[in-house]
Amino acid sequence: ELKVEQNPLFLSMQEGKNYTIYCNYSTTSDRLYWYRQDPGKSLESLFVLLSNGAVKQEGRLMASLDTKARLSTLHITAAVHDLSATYFCAVDRLFSGGGADGLTFGKGTHLIIQP
Amino acid sequence: DSGVTQTPKHLITATGQRVTLRCSPRSGDLSVYWYQQSLDQGLQFLIQYYNGEERAKGNILERFSAQQFPDLHSELNLSSLELGDSALYFCASSVTVGRSGANVLTFGAGSRLTVL
Repeated sequence: ELKVEQNPLFLSMQEGKNYTIYCNYSTTSDRLYWYRQDPGKSLESLFVLLSNGAVKQEGRLMASLDTKARLSTLHITAAVHDLSATYFCAVDRLFSGGGADGLTFGKGTHLIIQP
Repeated sequence: DSGVTQTPKHLITATGQRVTLRCSPRSGDLSVYWYQQSLDQGLQFLIQYYNGEERAKGNILERFSAQQFPDLHSELNLSSLELGDSALYFCASSVTVGRSGANVLTFGAGSRLTVL
């Protein structure tokens, strides 16, 4: 069974601090996705990591992928209140006959950034 | 606006009843996915349709069914509702590119179902 595990699941941090969210997965897929969800809202795509060693950055968020370790990280630099949200990582659902369709999500990391 | 339209946004009903949730995918997307989000189970994949045909099934209960119509909109039918079915139901769509491309899903705003 495909597993996608995020940690921590809850994180409260102060503005200006740095922190990292970890995402471990059990599939052999070499692609990983990060999404953001604001309370009561939909999921918004943040990053798509397509290969081993991929690094993507936008603003204070940086995501990386290590397919050998089956690990992705989402690093937050100098956090600001507007980054408070739930962050999900996801991997491709792989079919036994090859190909991928849809995503399997981790449980999400609920991030609160306090002034 | 993501381009994926879901209706209704909110729905309150009683146990034992049946409801239908509707989804219009983003223009050009052939795949539609249904997910259920609840506090205890997280984001659970229910079912996927591609160009009118069922493509994959996840943790979908037998009381639930779905279909995708020729115009590519999709409906999720939930019957014999129980209290535990209360959740946020998301529809997402994508351009399925098979093995080679990324599989970015675009989500709708969701339908919040409350079963009393």
